Amino acid sequence: KAGVTQTPRYLIKTRGQQVTLSCSPISGHRSVSWYQQTPGQGLQFLFEYFSETQRNKGNFPGRFSGRQFSNSRSEMNVSTLELGDSALYLCASSDDRLGSPLHFGNGTRLTVT
Amino acid sequence: AQSVTQLDSQVPVFEEAPVELRCNYSSSVSVYLFWYVQYPNQGLQLLLKYLSGSTLVKGINGFEAEFNKSQTSFHLRKPSVHISDTAEYFCAVTMKTSYDKVIFGPGTSLSVIP
Repeated sequence: KAGVTQTPRYLIKTRGQQVTLSCSPISGHRSVSWYQQTPGQGLQFLFEYFSETQRNKGNFPGRFSGRQFSNSRSEMNVSTLELGDSALYLCASSDDRLGSPLHFGNGTRLTVT
Repeated sequence: AQSVTQLDSQVPVFEEAPVELRCNYSSSVSVYLFWYVQYPNQGLQLLLKYLSGSTLVKGINGFEAEFNKSQTSFHLRKPSVHISDTAEYFCAVTMKTSYDKVIFGPGTSLSVIP
């Protein structure tokens, strides 16, 4: 099976712009989670989608949003970018059994200038 | 709410020496526990998981971890490390009884010295 695919791998944006990141989960996985990773804050949970519905949400401002499509692919959007949004954004998929591990993509490195 | 503590932010160890990376968690309900590894410029990979049963769990690359309920710990060990084990290691926890988010610890950077 192909792994979790995130596109693009690298992105440079300017403050005030918006950005959309994409994630294709492992085939058959219906749960997709997004994390923000920074040196200072570590791995912070953004949100999780299951069957096109947001099932869990972290403590991020409304500028961060996401969605999931019927084929389980997911996108996350960040509007009005701030310098502090510079981070590695990781997507992970899992099957829908309690205790199933997360399978991560290689991430999208976002730099905001 | 759950939380995870990894007491050591950096652990240097000589090649072929044993290593222990410590993880403690806090939760008011039963949890599942995981260890993940992250190599530079990559996502996280699962090393091992504790769901139930035997408290000693074996994972990939020769790693093992022991679940201690009374001490709320899940320490990761390897009897002999290799250069290739140099990476960031994350302990994680999630609730057993519902589809809750997975919470990660701050990570431990393992550096293996030749």
